[in-house]
Amino acid sequence: EAGVTQFPSHSVIEKGQTVTLRCDPISGHDNLYWYRRVMGKEIKFLLHFVKESKQDESGMPNNRFLAERTGGTYSTLKVQPAELEDSGVYFCASSPSREGEQYFGPGTRLTVT
Amino acid sequence: QKEVEQDPGPLSVPEGAIVSLNCTYSNSAFQYFMWYRQYSRKGPELLMYTYSSGNKEDGRFTAQVDKSSKYISLFIRDSQPSDSATYLCAMFRGGSARQLTFGSGTQLTVLP
Repeated sequence: EAGVTQFPSHSVIEKGQTVTLRCDPISGHDNLYWYRRVMGKEIKFLLHFVKESKQDESGMPNNRFLAERTGGTYSTLKVQPAELEDSGVYFCASSPSREGEQYFGPGTRLTVT
Repeated sequence: QKEVEQDPGPLSVPEGAIVSLNCTYSNSAFQYFMWYRQYSRKGPELLMYTYSSGNKEDGRFTAQVDKSSKYISLFIRDSQPSDSATYLCAMFRGGSARQLTFGSGTQLTVLP
């Protein structure tokens, strides 16, 4: 069974540019989560999808972040325009059920210069 | 105050030692507890998943949850150099609140 995949693995962009991160969850997992770890901090929750619907987006830092999940399959997280403080590692996780285990992808390392 | 506290280490032990990793938390609503292992530049890998208080064993790993003390532990028996990684505790409340709250991670090195 393939795990959670994320693309790209690393992205370097300039302040003010746009970046789109992609996550492909484990097949059949309805629950998809985005998390972020910024330098020196804990991994923090961003938002949660159940199928194509946003269940909880309480962790999204501001309206420069937009997440979508097309058809309940893969998800994208767009940052527009990127700021320096957006640098960090963005993780995606998926889970097969409401209180199920969350399986993480390898992360996308975003550097905003 | 952080919701989940975890000693960042670093922790260094000889091969074969028993390792004890711990987290404390302040929110009594947490019901589900996980331990993840993270190698450098990789994503967190799920090791153990427990619900409510009690013990769970899987091979060399044992997870303990004491909800009355708001304290969780991960024990690694017969530690191996390949166990060298950062260990993260995480937990969530359940119901509509399924987002994980993480500790800061403990960096473990097992010396051959």
